[in-house]
Amino acid sequence: DIQMTQSPSSLSASVGDRVTITCRASQSVNNHLNWYQQKPGKAPKLLIYASSSLQTGVPSRFSGSGSGTDYTLTISSLQPDDFATYYCQQSYSTLSLTFGGGTKVEIK
Amino acid sequence: QVQLVESGGGVVQPGRSLRLSCAASGFTFSSYDIHWVRQTPGRGLEWVAVISNDGGSKFYADSVKGRFTISRDNSKNTLYLQMNSLRAEDTAVYYCAKDRDMLTPVFDYWGQGTLVTVSS
Repeated sequence: DIQMTQSPSSLSASVGDRVTITCRASQSVNNHLNWYQQKPGKAPKLLIYASSSLQTGVPSRFSGSGSGTDYTLTISSLQPDDFATYYCQQSYSTLSLTFGGGTKVEIK
Repeated sequence: QVQLVESGGGVVQPGRSLRLSCAASGFTFSSYDIHWVRQTPGRGLEWVAVISNDGGSKFYADSVKGRFTISRDNSKNTLYLQMNSLRAEDTAVYYCAKDRDMLTPVFDYWGQGTLVTVSS
């Protein structure tokens, strides 16, 4: 299986801050990298797919980048609604899909 | 609007069985592959199984292979997960999730989840 490692596992930030979350794959996933946001008690919500494509309806302050094994989710200006846990997921190995361990974004 | 609603979770003893359902609406169910994904505080999000749009292809995570069976009834817009020989480590919230398109498995809609607790 392709292992997905996110960093940091948690962070504290203020409204308006620029936030960056990193996801590293144990082998290249060839831009088949997706990002989800999850709030407590709710299902994950797709934010970014194929490394950098914004899902319909997702605010433009969210962006994704990367290639090969290393990918980044950036929130350009953190809003109150953005405090949540973020997960990456690789869809390169289609019969063995794997997720990162999550990054919890908390209020400073 | 797209809706996925899971049901069938509960408390079950180790070694017993349980069947989960996922009722879909708001999209052409028979056109999409659908997945089961589970989540625990300790192991995070774990992909469990996928079934092709026509039910002809099914694939499973190694952790459930031989014990779980995914199926679908396109006439009822419903997905199922038959879980046999349940173990404590199967305790999780189980989500159904649909693929965004027919190219790669990206989950654009998820259900609200149903909790399965395996305990004596």
